[in-house]
Amino acid sequence: GAGVSQSPRYKVAKRGQDVALRCDPISGHVSLFWYQQALGQGPEFLTYFQNEAQLDKSGLPSDRFFAERPEGSVSTLKIQRTQQEDSAVYLCASSTGQGTDTQYFGPGTRLTVL
Amino acid sequence: GDSVTQMEGPVTLSEEAFLTINCTYTATGYPSLFWYVQYPGEGLQLLLKATKADDKGSNKGFEATYRKETTSFHLEKGSVQVSDSAVYFCALRPTHSGGSNYKLTFGKGTLLTVNP
Repeated sequence: GAGVSQSPRYKVAKRGQDVALRCDPISGHVSLFWYQQALGQGPEFLTYFQNEAQLDKSGLPSDRFFAERPEGSVSTLKIQRTQQEDSAVYLCASSTGQGTDTQYFGPGTRLTVL
Repeated sequence: GDSVTQMEGPVTLSEEAFLTINCTYTATGYPSLFWYVQYPGEGLQLLLKATKADDKGSNKGFEATYRKETTSFHLEKGSVQVSDSAVYFCALRPTHSGGSNYKLTFGKGTLLTVNP
């Protein structure tokens, strides 16, 4: 049906809190990506899933960041003990095949850590 | 590593003006090149792409030509409209085998404002 959706669209957290960001990819899309976009910057790759397998997590900034996609559809990006430097827009994208197809992006979740 | 450098913004033009947003890249081999557009409050949308040298991507009046000799992929439009106001991102994706050929690397983005 519709495109990639993300929730919440905005999240304000106090420093030290845990947050969970959700991504619903386009139905049937095999590949799913997370990117982080700091203010005034382009998106930067965080992690890549093919179905439920996390094939690349090289972009995750620290071990406080964790992503999962247990059933190969919806994905959650979790950030533990949030820090101010985690404030950014978190973008999710999906694509049909093995990751080299066109990536379709969601609207993002804007995270502000106070 | 791979990188994309694009023209600093913001860019402000009058309607019907000619647009150029410069983009150059550094990468191994022959990456695929993309322009994405982000309208206010919306997600990134693919505007156009080119996958090999001398290819021209085009969409909605926008064009960009993959120039291997200058490692560039400049975005152009002959006559911009108010509705083209958005942030434009140049990006590349590696195509060499065995590597992370799914990972997009983006430039910082260029804000375009078109006034009536």
